[in-house]
Amino acid sequence: AQKVTQAQTEISVVEKEDVTLDCVYETRDTTYYLFWYKQPPSGELVFLIRRNSFDEQNEISGRYSWNFQKSTSSFNFTITASQVVDSAVYFCALSEAQGYSTLTFGKGTMLLVSP
Amino acid sequence: NAGVTQTPKFRILKIGQSMTLQCTQDMNHNYMYWYRQDPGMGLKLIYYSVGAGITDKGEVPNGYNVSRSTTEDFPLRLELAAPSQTSVYFCASSYPGQPLNNQPQHFGDGTRLSIL
Repeated sequence: AQKVTQAQTEISVVEKEDVTLDCVYETRDTTYYLFWYKQPPSGELVFLIRRNSFDEQNEISGRYSWNFQKSTSSFNFTITASQVVDSAVYFCALSEAQGYSTLTFGKGTMLLVSP
Repeated sequence: NAGVTQTPKFRILKIGQSMTLQCTQDMNHNYMYWYRQDPGMGLKLIYYSVGAGITDKGEVPNGYNVSRSTTEDFPLRLELAAPSQTSVYFCASSYPGQPLNNQPQHFGDGTRLSIL
């Protein structure tokens, strides 16, 4: 069975600080996909990134970066120079290639960025 | 494009009542999903469909039914509402893409359902 663990329930930072959200996953499949979604206070889910199990290159998109390490089954998300608008719940999710793209979500990490 | 549209946005039900949560998408996606989100928890898969006429159970299907008569619509039905079904329900869709090439899901804005 697949599982996603986000051990950090809530993180509070001050604006401009860097913050890393942890994600650890379990799967028996060799081909799988990892995702991050953002849920702002308004409640919708916003797709941030998709990464397949064969691509371990780190990715950077503006202030966002992701570190995928297969050896530790982790897919961590870093926000550089955080802003108040980054305040949200962030979900890490796993999708096995054989599973019709169904997602297994972690419990989420609530990030609070104060001015 | 509207994307994934869910109605209603909010609803209060009494125990034992039934209702249907509507979901429609205009992206011609074959795959559609229903998830529920309980406070402090991630989303859990209720049912999913890979095309019209094809549905399958997810992790938490008990108490729910679905149908998929068209590519666009994927309604979720609660037959006998119970307090344990108080939750936020999200519908999502995705393009199947190439085999073994899972595409991201696009989510609706959710339906907040309270059962009293």
